[in-house]
Amino acid sequence: AQSVTQPDIHITVSEGASLELRCNYSYGATPYLFWYVQSPGQGLQLLLKYFSGDTLVQGIKGFEAEFKRSQSSFNLRKPSVHWSDAAEYFCAVGARDMRFGAGTRLTVKP
Amino acid sequence: DTAVSQTPKYLVTQMGNDKSIKCEQNLGHDTMYWYKQDSKKFLKIMFSYNNKELIINETVPNRFSPKSPDKAHLNLHINSLELGDSAVYFCASSRGQGIGGELFFGEGSRLTVL
Repeated sequence: AQSVTQPDIHITVSEGASLELRCNYSYGATPYLFWYVQSPGQGLQLLLKYFSGDTLVQGIKGFEAEFKRSQSSFNLRKPSVHWSDAAEYFCAVGARDMRFGAGTRLTVKP
Repeated sequence: DTAVSQTPKYLVTQMGNDKSIKCEQNLGHDTMYWYKQDSKKFLKIMFSYNNKELIINETVPNRFSPKSPDKAHLNLHINSLELGDSAVYFCASSRGQGIGGELFFGEGSRLTVL
């Protein structure tokens, strides 16, 4: 069965610092992988997705993620975090029925 | 123009009552979903409809009944509400049967059962 693990419940970084959010997945075939962001009181918005091809994918708002099949990981990165990036981040895997990780809450210190 | 809209945004009700949440999408998508997000932010799929046909029905109490009058609408009716039903319910849609496709989410409907 497909599943997603986000090991970090809460991460705090300083504005301008780099960011990496971890995601590990379990999936029987080539996975469809996604990162979504949820701002307070809002729905989820897609940041980026991976289906096949180049393992480094670029998304919106300066985010990127790297698919590593050998590690079953799809970590999200951003070189320089902005205060507006504070939100909840969800990794997801799946085809017809998308499964979400438990989320990582990002706090940005001034 | 809101792509996926849900109403109401907030619901406060007593245990035992029945309530409905409505969802509409104007994206022309074929597939719609209901997700439940609990107090720990965990998102769990409940139902999925493709062209008005139920294709995913997770282990959800039968007090929850989805209805899709057409492919642009997916409503959720909940009977005999319980405290544990308190959550944020998200409607989403995708193109096709959602195979590898992006989900577009509504803003959520926060249900509080007292």
